[in-house]
This record gives sequence, C-alpha cells and structure tokens, in this order.
Amino acid sequence: KAGVTQTPRYLIKTRGQQVTLSCSPISGHRSVSWYQQTPGQGLQFLFEYFSETQRNKGNFPGRFSGRQFSNSRSEMNVSTLELGDSALYLCASSPTSGGASDTQYFGPGTRLTVL
Amino acid sequence: GENVEQHPSTLSVQEGDSAVIKCTYSDSASNYFPWYKQELGKGPQLIIDIRSNVGEKKDQRIAVTLNKTAKHFSLHITETQPEDSAVYFCAARSLPGNNRLAFGKGNQVVVIP
Repeated sequence: KAGVTQTPRYLIKTRGQQVTLSCSPISGHRSVSWYQQTPGQGLQFLFEYFSETQRNKGNFPGRFSGRQFSNSRSEMNVSTLELGDSALYLCASSPTSGGASDTQYFGPGTRLTVL
Repeated sequence: GENVEQHPSTLSVQEGDSAVIKCTYSDSASNYFPWYKQELGKGPQLIIDIRSNVGEKKDQRIAVTLNKTAKHFSLHITETQPEDSAVYFCAARSLPGNNRLAFGKGNQVVVIP
C-alpha cells in the first residue's frame, strides 16, 4: 500500500503571496490532519478533515485554510505569506477520526520557504 | 489544551546500551500516546503507540510504558544501534472524536558506535 504523499516537496515564495499544498492519504483513509513543524515551536496542529468536513482547528490565523475532496485528498492554503510561515508542513492520514484504533501516518512534508 | 513535555532534549548512548525518553502530559483525559521517529529530511514515522487501557507495550527492541496516575509515558530502546540515531517525538491525544495530537518538543538521540 502506498504511503501518504505530499506535493510539492519544496516551495519558495515571497511575502504576500499565497500557496497551496496537497496531500494524498493512504488508500482507504478518510481523515487527513495537517501540522506545521518549525525548530522553535515544534509540531503544531493546524486542522483535521474527515469526510470533507473540518473536525478540529488549531490556533492559527485565518490565513491558514484547508479543504478535503470526496476522494479524501486534502489541500491546505496559506494566504498573504509571512516570513514566519517558513516551515515544514506535514500531513497525516488515518482510517477514521478519533476512533479507538486510529493511528496517524505522516507524509514526507512540504518544505515552504518564504523570502 | 493538552501540554506534552519531553525530557531530556538530547541523549547520547553507546551502541548496545539502552535509551529511555520520558514524556509527561497534562490532560488526564488523554487516551492515546504515539511515539514517532524522524530522520533528517523525512516525515515522522510511527514506531510504537499505547492506549490508556494498557500499561506497557513491546515491539522487538522498543517498548513503551504508561503511568496514568503520574501522567507520564516513556519510550525504551534496548540494544541501541547506529540507525536508531534520530529525533524522537512523543504525542498525546485528549479530545474524543478527532485526531488532534499534541507533541513534545522532541529528543535528539545519538548512538555512538
């Protein structure tokens, strides 16, 4: 079974631009969660989508948004990029959301650099 | 919300020795505790997890123990090998019905050949 895939792997943007990142979960998984990883703050939860609905949202500004499609693929969007948005963005997939046997599997991440 | 703390931040061990990383959590409602290993340039890889209804789980050289009373859980790696060198993250999930994980800051484990 193929793992979680994320595209693109690397991105360079300038301040004020917007960016869209994509995540394809493991086949059969319906939950996709997004995390931001930085050296200073570590891994921080952005949001989770399950069956095309946002289930939970972390403490990030409204510039960070996401969506999920009927095939469970998910995208996240960051508008009006700031230097502090430079980070590794990780997505994780799980069969369901918060179930008794759910386990999250991470993709390789998208490295975003904002200049 | 849930707060997870990890100690020590860096751990160096001789090859063949054991390594232990401890995490504490704040929310007594937390019921799921995974451990991830992250190598340079890669995403976190799940290595073992434990749920609140058990106190210990083992998978070959890796084990995790959970003390719900003290609100801490630990990762034990025995017979360490150079390929065990990586950053290890603990996490906790406290809210039912979703997959939101709160992560510790990570431990850099260095296995000295």
